Amino acid sequence: GAVVSQHPSRVICKSGTSVKIECRSLDFQATTMFWYRQFPKQSLMLMATSNEGSKATYEQGVEKDKFLINHASLTLSTLTVTSAHPEDSSFYICSARDWGGQSSYEQYFGPGTRLTVT
Amino acid sequence: DAKTTQPTSMDCAEGRAANLPCNHSTISGNEYVYWYRQIHSQGPQYIIHGLKNNETNEMASLIITEDRKSSTLILPHATLRDTAVYYCIVRPNSGGSNYKLTFGKGTLLTVNP
Repeated sequence: GAVVSQHPSRVICKSGTSVKIECRSLDFQATTMFWYRQFPKQSLMLMATSNEGSKATYEQGVEKDKFLINHASLTLSTLTVTSAHPEDSSFYICSARDWGGQSSYEQYFGPGTRLTVT
Repeated sequence: DAKTTQPTSMDCAEGRAANLPCNHSTISGNEYVYWYRQIHSQGPQYIIHGLKNNETNEMASLIITEDRKSSTLILPHATLRDTAVYYCIVRPNSGGSNYKLTFGKGTLLTVNP
């Protein structure tokens, strides 16, 4: 099946710094990628939808200036958490939709990135 | 607004079938039922989806009632590695390029030895 990778798998940063998380579709082209956040013992919450070559669409309550999303190619989307604070500590997960695959209805999820802000 | 209702948790003995129910009484005619699971500290994994017919793949079977108001995911021979949170999601398969998935709380399935 289609594979989505994320890098890094875990990161620890100091409060006030910025962190970039990469999401790659390894064996398919993804015109649409999604970014989720998951706090401990809670479900996944969609943060934004990223379309290749255009601006991301953010869900209500998600600060677009704080969570910068770039989807410059069909295989790569990045999420940058700017001026991170401890409350941004969470599990960030991306997913990608296989535009041209036979099973074009599923989203394929990355393994997630554990962000800890100290 | 939750579109699906699932039990919070379930237990199953290893080797036995695990039957996970999901209620989606407000499902629309163009909405599919999707099942994903999430093993602890990993990204969700697609399991199966269906519209109105029962579906089966190498992982599981999906039984959808005739009125489509509920469904059951069946893992025929549960193993310890099937311990995970299982999410039932309804979503249209058309209507734009976003195809957003809205995750509820899911069911924590614990497979016991």
